Amino acid sequence: DAKTTQPPSMDCAEGRAANLPCNHSTISGNEYVYWYRQIHSQGPQYIIHGLKNNETNEMASLIITEDRKSSTLILPHATLRDTAVYYCIVRVGAGGTSYGKLTFGQGTILTVHP
Amino acid sequence: IAGITQAPTSQILAAGRRMTLRCTQDMRHNAMYWYRQDLGLGLRLIHYSNTAGTTGKGEVPDGYSVSRANTDDFPLTLASAVPSQTSVYFCASSPDAQYRLEAFFGQGTRLTVV
Repeated sequence: DAKTTQPPSMDCAEGRAANLPCNHSTISGNEYVYWYRQIHSQGPQYIIHGLKNNETNEMASLIITEDRKSSTLILPHATLRDTAVYYCIVRVGAGGTSYGKLTFGQGTILTVHP
Repeated sequence: IAGITQAPTSQILAAGRRMTLRCTQDMRHNAMYWYRQDLGLGLRLIHYSNTAGTTGKGEVPDGYSVSRANTDDFPLTLASAVPSQTSVYFCASSPDAQYRLEAFFGQGTRLTVV
């Protein structure tokens, strides 16, 4: 699975959009980009995933560059409850290893302040 | 409420004792996983199960065993606990192990081995 690089920390004002970047320059054609977050003392929470098209759900939007070497998770109106560690994970969607191992790196600590 | 349940939420265990961490999901997911989370080391996969009746080893399987007798349950057993197994343990499930990796995590079991 491709390695990902994320900034260790970011700040965002409440009500503003939070844009969390992720670099995955070695991503291959059949690898998906997954985003999870972990709020303090809780289990990780799935947010969104995509292959090459931009994706949106009720939690966030995922923008993947045309060359797929990087992506951005967008929380359109951040709240204090969005303060968490955000993990960007690249994973083969089919084939490859026979199990769904999600390799969690160090992630980005997002702090939303009033 | 549909989801994934872990028990106990926390436990203090004497070294050398046997312990089983319980995990149950009601989403009829095929794949289930056990992770441990330690400060500075992130989340690491212990064991996984692609479907009922099958299990496999993750990154850090030594000292742990699992079984998957049915779809819903995936217990993790420490045969003889050691202090290095002090950690927070997360159970997770996903619709399958290859195509659908939107994993749902439990709230964790905080285990202290003394």
